Amino acid sequence: TQLLEQSPQFLSIQEGENLTVYCNSSSVFSSLQWYRQEPGEGPVLLVTVVTGGEVKKLKRLTFQFGDARKDSSLHITAAQPGDTGLYLCAAYPTEGSNYKLTFGKGTLLTVNP
Amino acid sequence: EPEVTQTPSHQVTQMGQEVILRCVPISNHLYFYWYRQILGQKVEFLVSFYNNEISEKSEIFDDQFSVERPDGSNFTLKIRSTKLEDSAMYFCASSTGNAGEQYFGPGTRLTVT
Repeated sequence: TQLLEQSPQFLSIQEGENLTVYCNSSSVFSSLQWYRQEPGEGPVLLVTVVTGGEVKKLKRLTFQFGDARKDSSLHITAAQPGDTGLYLCAAYPTEGSNYKLTFGKGTLLTVNP
Repeated sequence: EPEVTQTPSHQVTQMGQEVILRCVPISNHLYFYWYRQILGQKVEFLVSFYNNEISEKSEIFDDQFSVERPDGSNFTLKIRSTKLEDSAMYFCASSTGNAGEQYFGPGTRLTVT
């Protein structure tokens, strides 16, 4: 069973601060997806990274896939209260299932005004 | 923007009763999935469905569970005899291809009493 470890588990910051959350594994992944989930709702897809070393930007969010495709990070610049939520990483393994996304436990981000 | 929809949003049932959770995937998607999330825990894969058959299922998806695509738009998850431990959020997802980006619905909260 491939595990995705996310850190930190909880993060509480003030509006305007920068932050980085991490998603790590001992396994190699063919692709990795970042989702944001609000309480009582479904995960909303933010980005997919596929190539080792890839960097993708989505407004104030920057996503990076590790060179070895075993880890990823999400950096938020100048966080806003609207960024509050549970950030989940999910991935397909390079060997085995092409159907089953494995999820991490997530980082619960709170941005205080 | 196309989205996955799910009904009902909340279902309360008594232990031993049958429930059917319904989903309408994104219209041009070919791969359909069910996941569940027990309160405070990870999102867990249950089953994937393609070309009118199950392509993969997890150990959670035992004989009490079944899936069906009864027509060209709906995708259902049936639990034949619910148990207390089936209480969870159930998410439907869909994608255009295998190992592709999965888009999730808002979920059905199932409460078994």
